[in-house]
Amino acid sequence: AQSVTQLGSHVSVSEGALVLLRCNYSSSVPPYLFWYVQYPNQGLQLLLKYTTGATLVKGINGFEAEFKKSETSFHLTKPSAHMSDAAEYFCAVSKRGSNYKLTFGKGTLLTVNP
Amino acid sequence: DAGVIQSPRHEVTEMGQEVTLRCKPISGHDYLFWYRQTMMRGLELLIYFNNNVPIDDSGMPEDRFSAKMPNASFSTLKIQPSEPRDSAVYFCASSLTSGSYEQFFGPGTRLTVL
Repeated sequence: AQSVTQLGSHVSVSEGALVLLRCNYSSSVPPYLFWYVQYPNQGLQLLLKYTTGATLVKGINGFEAEFKKSETSFHLTKPSAHMSDAAEYFCAVSKRGSNYKLTFGKGTLLTVNP
Repeated sequence: DAGVIQSPRHEVTEMGQEVTLRCKPISGHDYLFWYRQTMMRGLELLIYFNNNVPIDDSGMPEDRFSAKMPNASFSTLKIQPSEPRDSAVYFCASSLTSGSYEQFFGPGTRLTVL
């Protein structure tokens, strides 16, 4: 069975600082990996995904993530935080070759301080 | 495209009442997913459909929950009878088999059972 661990339920950064949200997965084979963002009172929106190819993937709003198979990690980063980045971020995995059954982490709430 | 549409956005009901949540997926999408989000358990997949057929309902908590998809453009999630512990935000999402493995989420229905 697949599982996702997001280290830190709450991360607080200053505006302009580096954002680093951690995600580790457990899977018998490398899965497909996703980061979703949820703004208050809204549904989830895809930030970026890794399925195949280049292990450093770029997403919307300046975010990027790197798939590291040896570390079973898919950490999300952004060089400079903006106030509008304040939201909850979810890492998710799905079985390779499938288009279904996302397993989500518990989420990390990002706060950006002025 | 209007995106995934869910109704109602908010539902307040009393324990023991029947609750029906509705979802209209993105036109042409052939997968539909129902998720539940709570503080304690995070995001949980309840059930998903492919081409209107239920594929995996192992996440449905108990027999009080049922879901149907009578056609490609409509699905319902029904709780009968409702209990206070069913209070949560329920999301519907849809995706396309030949797409980018992205699931598109609706805005959610916030259910409160008193």
